[in-house]
Amino acid sequence: DADVTQTPRNRITKTGKRIMLECSQTKGHDRMYWYRQDPGLGLRLIYYSFDVKDINKGEISDGYSVSRQAQAKFSLSLESAIPNQTALYFCATSITGTGELFFGEGSRLTVL
Amino acid sequence: AQKITQTQPGMFVQEKEAVTLDCTYDTSDQSYGLFWYKQPSSGEMIFLIYQGSYDEQNATEGRYSLNFQKARKSANLVISASQLGDSAMYFCAMTAGGYQKVTFGTGTKLQVIP
Repeated sequence: DADVTQTPRNRITKTGKRIMLECSQTKGHDRMYWYRQDPGLGLRLIYYSFDVKDINKGEISDGYSVSRQAQAKFSLSLESAIPNQTALYFCATSITGTGELFFGEGSRLTVL
Repeated sequence: AQKITQTQPGMFVQEKEAVTLDCTYDTSDQSYGLFWYKQPSSGEMIFLIYQGSYDEQNATEGRYSLNFQKARKSANLVISASQLGDSAMYFCAMTAGGYQKVTFGTGTKLQVIP
């Protein structure tokens, strides 16, 4: 089983719908991140969390919210999805002080 | 703020040849880390190699080496003896400012030709 698990792996939805992407990890890492990947733009940071009570905005947080339900769980929500949120979303974890990221397999979201 | 620049959107290399993927970075921090990740067509992100800003030697991992030139702020990835399985997107990334966030470049798509 993967150490960092994302669900769903693929999702097609309509404009205006609320969507939640979930991430769980068994690595025991404190730090968790959500990135989105768009062709030609690389990976951009949406939100990150260093523990359950510490949530931080990344460079593109508008239109997104997150919840850190436990050390092992970090969810990303799109309250009202729009087509330009169509992207590949990655959850990642890291060990404090190293910067190395451990990625989930990605969640491909399509908003029609 | 930290920034990563990858100027090669796509590259071709002949099988068994070496290839260099360019990466330049910008940060005002003295302590930082540089990474390369590989993303095959299947989509997963695979860690390849890490270089710390205080490391005096260039990092190597098997056929991968990181050509770290601190004064030029470059961290190029060198892949020796390219294989067909090396065809993928490659991302350069960095962390600085207390190693809290990782910033990625836009990536280089490498295609290995038989």
